[in-house]
Amino acid sequence: DAGVIQSPRHEVTEMGQEVTLRCKPISGHDYLFWYRQTMMRGLELLIYFNNNVPIDDSGMPEDRFSAKMPNASFSTLKIQPSEPRDSAVYFCASSLRGVNYGYTFGSGTRLTVV
Amino acid sequence: TQLLEQSPQFLSIQEGENLTVYCNSSSVFSSLQWYRQEPGEGPVLLVTVVTGGEVKKLKRLTFQFGDARKDSSLHITAAQPGDTGLYLCAGARGNTPLVFGKGTRLSVIA
Repeated sequence: DAGVIQSPRHEVTEMGQEVTLRCKPISGHDYLFWYRQTMMRGLELLIYFNNNVPIDDSGMPEDRFSAKMPNASFSTLKIQPSEPRDSAVYFCASSLRGVNYGYTFGSGTRLTVV
Repeated sequence: TQLLEQSPQFLSIQEGENLTVYCNSSSVFSSLQWYRQEPGEGPVLLVTVVTGGEVKKLKRLTFQFGDARKDSSLHITAAQPGDTGLYLCAGARGNTPLVFGKGTRLSVIA
């Protein structure tokens, strides 16, 4: 298995633009998580899905952020409009057994909003 | 307020030295995981400890879960440059996703 695949690896965009981050989890993993990592705050959970259904989105910063999982092999995280404070590394992770078990992370998307 | 506090935040040592990093909380966890993250990559799971007092070894790395399941430590013997990275602990509670500490950034100088 190729692991969790995220795209793009790097994204530089101007303030106000829409940004879409993509994730393909490991096949058969029923749990998918979106995290954001910054030096100040570390890894923060944004939202997670179980069997393609959003379970907890309380970590999504505000209405500018949205996430979807239309099928078991694809998820998106969208920011519209983007702001400089959204600059961070965004990680997608998946888990086979559940929220309390080991996560496999993708390589992340480094987002810079100028 | 960070649920899991990791210390030290930064650590720079010479190759061959021993070191210990810590993960502390006032909360009880059902299990605790340790991850290592290299620059430009996502965290990679190293180990999961479940039982209070449990000790697990992974080559030169020794992980211990506190008796009360509120804290954990990672000890590295004879550190090598390949051990360089960000070490993250993550706690599991109830039916909620893992909570991560901010990590200890280790640099091993040859």
